Amino acid sequence: TQLLEQSPQFLSIQEGENLTVYCNSSSVFSSLQWYRQEPGEGPVLLVTVVTGGEVKKLKRLTFQFGDARKDSSLHITAAQPGDTGLYLCAGAPIQGAQKLVFGQGTRLTINP
Amino acid sequence: DSGVTQTPKHLITATGQRVTLRCSPRSGDLSVYWYQQSLDQGLQFLIQYYNGEERAKGNILERFSAQQFPDLHSELNLSSLELGDSALYFCASSGPRDRAYEQYFGPGTRLTVT
Repeated sequence: TQLLEQSPQFLSIQEGENLTVYCNSSSVFSSLQWYRQEPGEGPVLLVTVVTGGEVKKLKRLTFQFGDARKDSSLHITAAQPGDTGLYLCAGAPIQGAQKLVFGQGTRLTINP
Repeated sequence: DSGVTQTPKHLITATGQRVTLRCSPRSGDLSVYWYQQSLDQGLQFLIQYYNGEERAKGNILERFSAQQFPDLHSELNLSSLELGDSALYFCASSGPRDRAYEQYFGPGTRLTVT
C-alpha cells in the first residue's frame, strides 16, 4: 500500500511569515497534486507536478516535486489569513494513476 | 465552483438503512470517482467509472455499490448502514484519460448515521 505522509499536521503562524509543508513517501508516483480544502467543502486542485525536480509557482505558493518523484513540498511566502485551510497532497500511482493516494493533510492557520 | 455537483448536501439516517448519493460530473468529463473522507482515515478512494463502466476499485465495502448512467451522472448506494459509515462522501471527475490524476471535486455529501 502506497502512503503519503504530510508534515506538519498542524501549523499556526503569524501573517507575513513563510512556511513549508512536506509530503513524503517511500513510493514513486507518476504525478503529485496539491489540493486546498475549506471546512464543509470539497478539495480544490491547486497544482499538478509531473516531472522529477519540477517547480511550479502560483502567486506566493511554490510547489516542488522531488527528483525521485517520491516527495513534494509546498512553500508559502508572506502568508496571509486567506491562506488558512487544509492542504492535501495526493499522489497518482505508477499503476492506476486514477486511484489517487492522499496524505492526511496539513491544517494551516494564519493569524492576523 | 468546480462544476461537479452533488446531492444531497447533508443526509441523516439510522443504522441498517440504505441511502443513495448523486453526482453530476463537469461538462465533458467521462470519469467519475467516489471518495470517502473520515477523521481517522482521511480521503480514501472508493471506485471509478468511465463512460458508464467500472474502471477501478479501491477500498469499497461490499455493502456499497455505484453506477454511472448514460447521461454520465453517477450514484453511490450505501446499504445496511453502520455508525462507522458516517463520513463525508465526495465525487470527483476528470477529463482526458491521460490526465486522470487531475480530479475536480464536488462539494460533498455529509452522511450521519445514528
